[in-house]
This record gives sequence, structure tokens and C-alpha cells, in this order.
Amino acid sequence: DTAVSQTPKYLVTQMGNDKSIKCEQNLGHDTMYWYKQDSKKFLKIMFSYNNKELIINETVPNRFSPKSPDKAHLNLHINSLELGDSAVYFCASSQAGGNSPLHFGNGTRLTVT
Amino acid sequence: SQQGEEDPQALSIQEGENATMNCSYKTSINNLQWYRQNSGRGLVHLILIRSNEREKHSGRLRVTLDTSKKSSSLLITASRAADTASYFCATPLENSGYSTLTFGKGTMLLVSP
Repeated sequence: DTAVSQTPKYLVTQMGNDKSIKCEQNLGHDTMYWYKQDSKKFLKIMFSYNNKELIINETVPNRFSPKSPDKAHLNLHINSLELGDSAVYFCASSQAGGNSPLHFGNGTRLTVT
Repeated sequence: SQQGEEDPQALSIQEGENATMNCSYKTSINNLQWYRQNSGRGLVHLILIRSNEREKHSGRLRVTLDTSKKSSSLLITASRAADTASYFCATPLENSGYSTLTFGKGTMLLVSP
């Protein structure tokens, strides 16, 4: 009965590769997000989508491309991976944007070697 | 666009003691939220306090909000070892129409038995 699920949990890859992280929520929420958490636990918003439409893109390189096939899914595709992309990526969803609680997935730990 | 700052960065206490964490923010808000993150997991919502509220309780948690000082505090009473986690405050981004939360850097709480 996982509310927000993301796969894979761990992702190890080499520089220059392209990879995707999938996220699905079964809460019926309209808004979904991607956050990046660095090694110092600093959590930064990357993208937010409302009803499959991009609301916010916080100065993320265009190597990162979110895709929302429907409002229950928000996938993250990353091209030409760099060492600095190593982090934990969290997907989240909410009923009413920033005015309601966010429900987070358990994260995808991406390691670029 | 990060605007929340928690204080202290780390806090170590004994079981049964109270733990107080503070959060300061910069812009106007319509609500402030607190989250907990256990090691290796996603963030879990604890409590939401609206800008017209001054105090809110949930079990052993007490949150205060002072909009004139742009600050909030989270008090955990009678702490338990299971409370060991990182705690984050989050506020909606004004430039996103309050649709997206931005997080502080967190307070790492260690509760020793």
C-alpha cells in the first residue's frame, strides 16, 4: 500500500550515461515533485508538476527532463550523467501544492562513478 | 530560493528530556510545516501550522510560529530513542504561488537511551 513509490532504490552508473528514475503515487494527488538531497542533507526542489503541467523548474540543468505521462506518475530522466549528480533523489506528491503535507517516496540513491 | 534555516544543526539528548529545534525563514508565508527524516528514508510530515496560528500540538509535539520574527520552533517532549532522526522545517515558495515547499537544512537529533 505504498503511497509514493520510486524505483530503483539504488542506481550506480558511469559518467556520460543516461538513466531514468520512476515515480508513482496512488494518493490521487494533483501535484508531484522531484527533490535532490546532497551529502549534507540539503534538500532542494528541482521540479513541481500540477496535473501533468510543469509549475516550477528551479535552475536545473537541461540534462534533467521530467516526464509526466499522467497525474499519478512523474519520471525523471537524466542525460550525460556527471559526478556532481550523485545524490539522493526524492519524489513527493501533495493534494494542494504547498498548502498541504507532502508525501515522500523513500528516495533513489544515485552514484555516478 | 532556500529560505528555512534550522538551529541547532545537531542536538544530542538523553531519553526523557525535551528537544527544541528552531527554524527561521525570510519571506512571507501562509503556512509552515515540520518533517522528520529517518536515516535512509523519505521525509515524513509531522505538523502544519498556518500563518494565523501561534501554536499547535500533536501528541508529544508542540509547534509555535511567530510571523513577526519569521521563526518557528518544534518541541518534542519526553523524547525517546525512536525520535532519533533529522528534522526539517519547510515553507511554501512565494514565487511559486505557494505551490512548492522549500526546506531548511535540518537539525539532526540524537536521543540516547
